Amino acid sequence: SAVISQKPSRDICQRGTSLTIQCQVDSQVTMMFWYRQQPGQSLTLIATANQGSEATYESGFVIDKFPISRPNLTFSTLTVSNLSPEDSSIYLCSVEETGVGEQYFGPGTRLTVT
Amino acid sequence: AQSVAQPEDQVNVAEGNPLTVKCTYSVSGNPYLFWYVQYPNRGLQFLLKYITGDNLVKGSYGFEAEFNKSQTSFHLKKPSALVSDSALYFCAVRGRRRDNYGQNFVFGPGTRLSVLP
Repeated sequence: SAVISQKPSRDICQRGTSLTIQCQVDSQVTMMFWYRQQPGQSLTLIATANQGSEATYESGFVIDKFPISRPNLTFSTLTVSNLSPEDSSIYLCSVEETGVGEQYFGPGTRLTVT
Repeated sequence: AQSVAQPEDQVNVAEGNPLTVKCTYSVSGNPYLFWYVQYPNRGLQFLLKYITGDNLVKGSYGFEAEFNKSQTSFHLKKPSALVSDSALYFCAVRGRRRDNYGQNFVFGPGTRLSVLP
C-alpha cells in the first residue's frame, strides 16, 4: 500500500490567514482526496484531486475557500483560506490505487484557528 | 445517494470476548464496503473490504466482516477482543456521487470500541 505523508502535522493560525497543507505519496497515484474530520467524528470529503484536471468539490465546499493543486501523480496541496475558528479541524489526504479499491490515508494535519 | 449507519456510538466488550461493530448501508447498485480503524492521534488504517465474492471477508489484525445483502449490513467481528483493539471504527461505502460524476466514499459516523481488561 502507498505511504502518505502530510506537512505540517499541526499548526495554529490566526483568523483571516491561510494554511497550505502538503500531501506526498511514495508512488504514482491517479486519485487523491482531501477530507475534513472533527476529532472523534466522521470524515467529510472536501474534494477529489486528479492529476491533469480541475479538482471536484463536494457540496458545501468551494474552490475560493479550499483551492487545491495537483501538479503531478505523487503530490497535492490543499489551502484553507481566510481562516475562521470554524475551520479548526483535522485535514486528511488519501489516495486510491485502483478503480474500486480502498483508500489509504495520511496521518492528518491538525489545524487550530485562533 | 449512498449512506452508512453505525447504530452504536460506543461498544464495550471484555478482553477475550467476541466483538461486533454494526454497520448498515444504502447504495444503488453493487455495494463496495470498507472498514477502517483510527487509533488516537493517528490517521485511518484500512482493515478490510467487500467488493464481490464470499460474504465473509477476512482482514487485518484478526478482524472479519460479514456482508448480508438482504439486511444491507456489513458488521465487523473479531472472535477474541484485545485491549489494543480499543479505537474508533468507521464503516464506509463507495458509491456514485450525487451529481453522477464519478464515485466517492461515504463514511459512517464511527463507533468507539472499548475493550476492558
